[in-house]
This record gives sequence, structure tokens and C-alpha cells, in this order.
Amino acid sequence: KQEVTQIPAALSVPEGENLVLNCSFTDSAIYNLQWFRQDPGKGLTSLLLIQSSQREQTSGRLNASLDKSSGRSTLYIAASQPGDSATYLCAVVSIQGAQKLVFGQGTRLTINP
Amino acid sequence: DADVTQTPRNRITKTGKRIMLECSQTKGHDRMYWYRQDPGLGLRLIYYSFDVKDINKGEISDGYSVSRQAQAKFSLSLESAIPNQTALYFCATSDRSPGALNGYTFGSGTRLTVV
Repeated sequence: KQEVTQIPAALSVPEGENLVLNCSFTDSAIYNLQWFRQDPGKGLTSLLLIQSSQREQTSGRLNASLDKSSGRSTLYIAASQPGDSATYLCAVVSIQGAQKLVFGQGTRLTINP
Repeated sequence: DADVTQTPRNRITKTGKRIMLECSQTKGHDRMYWYRQDPGLGLRLIYYSFDVKDINKGEISDGYSVSRQAQAKFSLSLESAIPNQTALYFCATSDRSPGALNGYTFGSGTRLTVV
């Protein structure tokens, strides 16, 4: 059974810092990995989608990497801003089973002005 | 208009009542999903449907039922609501490519409170 873990559970940093959020998964046989952002009590916004054949994806100040063999992904946020404060979730689609999206529990990020 | 629309956005209901949460999508996707989110437990899959005639239980289907009325509509019902079904519910869609190669799209969620 696929399990996804995100560390740390919460992170607080001053504005302007570069930061890294971590995601690990137990079964490396995946189709893809998706990073989402969730504001409190709100829906999920897709940030980046990395296919199993890719090593990284970039969107603006965000860069996500994928090391499938080691079961790890990182989300790098450059020059953080208070508006980046949210919960960040990673999720994978495993090849085994019914190709369902399996989530980590998220990292709650706070950027302090 | 949003690609995936959930109604209602918020609902308070009493224990024992039947309630339906609705989801509609304009993505043209074949596959639809219902998740619930609880603090500390993350998002867990309740039911999923790969097409109108294909409905499957997820990891926490007890106490829930679903109906896929059309390709674009997927409803979740709580036949007799109980307080531990208080949660944030999300509908999601994906295309039929292996592994949903274009990713998943989520609705804005329904906050359900059972008192």
C-alpha cells in the first residue's frame, strides 16, 4: 500500500527566504506526483505535476523535483512572500491498484512579514 | 465558472438526516472521485467512478453512497448522517489516461457539519 509522508508538518520562516518542502513515498512505481496548495478551509489548487519520466518542473518561483528511485520529491519556493502562507500537499498516483491519488498530510507553511 | 463545482459550499445538518452533496464538472473528464479531509488525517478516498457505469468503493465508503447521473455529475449521499462525518468533502476529476497524466482537478469543497 502506497504511503506518502511530508516533513515538516509545519514550517515558519521570515519573508524573503528560500525554502524546501519534502515529500516521500514508499512505492516508487508511480505514474506521476502532484503538488497542491490549500488555503485554510478552501479547495486544492494544483501547483505542479511531475510525470515519472521527469526530474523537475518549474512554475514561477516554484520548482518541484522528483527522484523516483529513492521515493522523494521536493518543492522549492524561492523568495518567499506572506501570500505563500498555506498548506502544501503532495500526492502520487501509483501504477499498482486502481491508479488512485494518494496524499501526504501536508506541510503548513507560514511566511512572516 | 469553475471547472469542478460543488454544492452546497457549507451545510449543517442533524444526526440521522439524509443529505446529498453534488458535484458537476465541465472538464469533460471520465473519472470522478469523492474525498473527505479531516484534520490530522489528510484526504481519504470515499468513492470513485471511472465512467457512468463503473463505481467503486474507496478506503472509507461505509456510511456513504454515490450516484453517477451523467458523465459530468457525481453525487455523494449520507443516508443517515452522524457527527463523525463532519468534515470537508472534495470532489475531483481526472481524464482516462493511465495514471491521469494531466493531473487531478479539485472542486472548492463542501464543509459539512453534523450536529
